[in-house]
Amino acid sequence: QVQLVQSGAEVKKPGASVKVSCKASGYTFTAYYIHWVRQAPGQGLEWMGWINTHTGDTNYAQEFQGRVTMTRDTSINSAYMELSRLSSDDTAMYFCARAGEGFTFGYFDYWGQGTLVTVSS
Amino acid sequence: EIVMTQSPATLSVSPGESATLSCRASQSVSFSLAWYQQKPGQAPRLLIYGASTRATGIPARFSGSGSGTEFTLTISSLQSEDFAVYYCQQYNNRQTFGQGTKVEIK
Repeated sequence: QVQLVQSGAEVKKPGASVKVSCKASGYTFTAYYIHWVRQAPGQGLEWMGWINTHTGDTNYAQEFQGRVTMTRDTSINSAYMELSRLSSDDTAMYFCARAGEGFTFGYFDYWGQGTLVTVSS
Repeated sequence: EIVMTQSPATLSVSPGESATLSCRASQSVSFSLAWYQQKPGQAPRLLIYGASTRATGIPARFSGSGSGTEFTLTISSLQSEDFAVYYCQQYNNRQTFGQGTKVEIK
């Protein structure tokens, strides 16, 4: 069965960086785009960007340009999201999600369980 | 950017009743509209894509309709496990989410 398993919770200081991983199983990793979505406490869903797991191409939301880097390692079927220059506003649950077959931007049919990132001095 | 507006923000419904949730797009998204359900502490779960196609394993009491700029998610005969927050998402032009509708027990 399709699974996306994310790395564990992180606590970071302001100005630091965080790298979250998302390990895929149950399907051909390079056949589907991986997106990253975050959710601040009590808030809605905010799209951050995607990575083409086949080519490594990326596309980021304007709000995160210059601060986010998405990568992948096809040898271990994993995608990564690194966010730098963290502030308290970045405290959120971060999700990876798989775009539906054939889609670059698309609906998200499978989601990771989420990784809580807390930014606090 | 296409703005997605959901209404109402909160919907109070008794178990066994039906619920109708609305989602409006600031410009046409054709049929490229998905609905998700999210319970506290969980990831969103895909319910509907293509405006009206139920995702794998989703009960028939969930139905989606609409096209262009107006969309509806109907949940017939609400069960206890259906009380949650529901989000719409367009994916016709990049992608954007609505702000969510909370379905609570009346």
